Amino acid sequence: QVQLQESGPGLVEPSQTLSLTCTVSGGSISSGSYSWGWLRQPAGKGLEWIGRIYTSGSIWYNPSLQSRVAISSDTSNNQFSLKLTSVTAADTAVYYCARDPTVMDETDWYIDIWGRGTLVSVSS
Amino acid sequence: QSVLTQPPSASGTPGQRVIISCSGSSSSIGSNYVSWYQQLPGTAPKLLIYSNYQRPSWVPDRFSGSKSGTSASLAISGLRSEDEADYYCAAWDNSLRRPLFGGGTKLTVL
Repeated sequence: QVQLQESGPGLVEPSQTLSLTCTVSGGSISSGSYSWGWLRQPAGKGLEWIGRIYTSGSIWYNPSLQSRVAISSDTSNNQFSLKLTSVTAADTAVYYCARDPTVMDETDWYIDIWGRGTLVSVSS
Repeated sequence: QSVLTQPPSASGTPGQRVIISCSGSSSSIGSNYVSWYQQLPGTAPKLLIYSNYQRPSWVPDRFSGSKSGTSASLAISGLRSEDEADYYCAAWDNSLRRPLFGGGTKLTVL
């Protein structure tokens, strides 16, 4: 079965760039049937969608984060990545990578597989 | 601030039926499909319901979803202790151009 695993630093200093990678096993991110996304959840709070990438090249971002976020893919290593610049304490959260089977159909959006999540703290 | 509104808490006794509501707007639930997620303590969310009422193969039929207008509901019948978790609804919003989540409902099995 398809599994996703996040990796990256657990601590980032304010104003620096948060970088995370998601490694996908059990399936190819190039399959064409899915897009691959990032979400986050501050401690004790709800979920926030960050963005997604379809390996044909299409990328969607949360408009509220668009100026600071970049999502890319590395099909040779079956990975996709997140970069979030100019981080502040408000960016402290558990970050999840996820599989999105809805691709171009936004009317029926959902996530069917989630990574286990990784906690990223922003602090000096 | 969540744009989909859920009650912060719900509770029931084993065997009971519990319903969790999710209220949105014409640009979110009113125009798009709803999904539901279960998050057990300390774990990642798990898909429970998609396309308003469809269940993935791993979800028991005790869980069911419905939608009417700008609101949706998740029903859990035959409540079990292992159902104690946070539940989130979600839907794409055409105006905000992103998916929205509800604030989550913490279900307690008494």
